[in-house]
Amino acid sequence: AQSVTQLDSQVPVFEEAPVELRCNYSSSVSVYLFWYVQYPNQGLQLLLKYLSGSTLVESINGFEAEFNKSQTSFHLRKPSVHISDTAEYFCAVINTGGFKTIFGAGTRLFVKA
Amino acid sequence: DVKVTQSSRYLVKRTGEKVFLECVQDMDHENMFWYRQDPGLGLRLIYFSYDVKMKEKGDIPEGYSVSREKKERFSLILESASTNQTSMYLCASSPAGTGGYEQYFGPGTRLTVT
Repeated sequence: AQSVTQLDSQVPVFEEAPVELRCNYSSSVSVYLFWYVQYPNQGLQLLLKYLSGSTLVESINGFEAEFNKSQTSFHLRKPSVHISDTAEYFCAVINTGGFKTIFGAGTRLFVKA
Repeated sequence: DVKVTQSSRYLVKRTGEKVFLECVQDMDHENMFWYRQDPGLGLRLIYFSYDVKMKEKGDIPEGYSVSREKKERFSLILESASTNQTSMYLCASSPAGTGGYEQYFGPGTRLTVT
């Protein structure tokens, strides 16, 4: 069975500091990987995804994530965060031939001035 | 701009009531999903549908049913609401096929059962 573990439930960080949100998954088959973001009082929206090819994927607002198959990880990073990045971030995995996405428990990122 | 809408942002119901949560998408997507979101548990799949009148159970279908009579609309039904169904409910849709498509989410319905 697939599973997703987000290793930190909350991450407080000061504005302009770097941040890493950790995600590990388990699966016996090939997977696609996603990071979604949920701003307060909103639904989830896609931040970035890995399907194939380059293991480093980037979002338009400066986040990046690296697929590491040997460590079954897909950590999310940003070199310098803004107050507006305060949100909950969800890592998700799906079989390449599946319908069902498995979500992690989420990581709340608090960016402080 | 793609859009998934949910009929209510906040809902308060009494124990034993029948509750309908409606979701509409305007992207002509084949796949639609209902999740519940609880703190520390992330999103858990209740039901999904990959075509009109088709439905599949997710991980936590007990106490819920669904209806998809039209492609754009997917309804979640709580036959007899209970306090342990107090939660945030999120609807999502995605294009046909499997795997690599992102899901588009509605804003959520926060349901309180008293």
